[in-house]
Amino acid sequence: DAGVIQSPRHEVTEMGQEVTLRCKPISGHNSLFWYRQTMMRGLELLIYFNNNVPIDDSGMPEDRFSAKMPNASFSTLKIQPSEPRDSAVYFCASSQDRSSYNEQFFGPGTRLTVL
Amino acid sequence: AQTVTQSQPEMSVQEAETVTLSCTYDTSESDYYLFWYKQPPSRQMILVIRQEAYKQQNATENRFSVNFQKAAKSFSLKISDSQLGDAAMYFCAYRSARAGNKLTFGGGTRVLVKP
Repeated sequence: DAGVIQSPRHEVTEMGQEVTLRCKPISGHNSLFWYRQTMMRGLELLIYFNNNVPIDDSGMPEDRFSAKMPNASFSTLKIQPSEPRDSAVYFCASSQDRSSYNEQFFGPGTRLTVL
Repeated sequence: AQTVTQSQPEMSVQEAETVTLSCTYDTSESDYYLFWYKQPPSRQMILVIRQEAYKQQNATENRFSVNFQKAAKSFSLKISDSQLGDAAMYFCAYRSARAGNKLTFGGGTRVLVKP
């Protein structure tokens, strides 16, 4: 299995630009999670989907952030317009909700730098 | 809301020795899951070990074991026979058994392994 795939691995953009992060979950997994990691705030959940439906988006910072999951094999996290404080590593994770643990498998992350 | 606290920002261990990382959490629930994730410099999040709250037996995975004290809300990780490849950030995480699949992470502990 290829694991969770994220693209791009690195993104450098200028303030005000639109940024789109992409994620392909592990085949057969029905939950998908977007996390953000910063030095100040650590790892925090932004949003998660179950069966392509957003279940909890309480961690989405503000209206500049949006996430979609049009099908079971693809999700995007969009920031528009981007700001320097959005600089962070963004992780996507997926899980299969058929075991009690529902353990999450993480992608390699996207390091975003907003200048 | 649940919180997870890792009180040790950094721990140093000699190769082949043992190191214990502490983790405490705050919850009013009785049914939940606890995890330890490892994040090496590659920044990939790797699941190390997991524990169900209703299981009294402490989980073990090769050189990794936990000391789960439910009443004290403590979940420490012991790394035995430390190897250079164990050097990484370690994150403790909590997941409710009833309130969705979101993981709540602690702030992390950096483990340094001295040859």
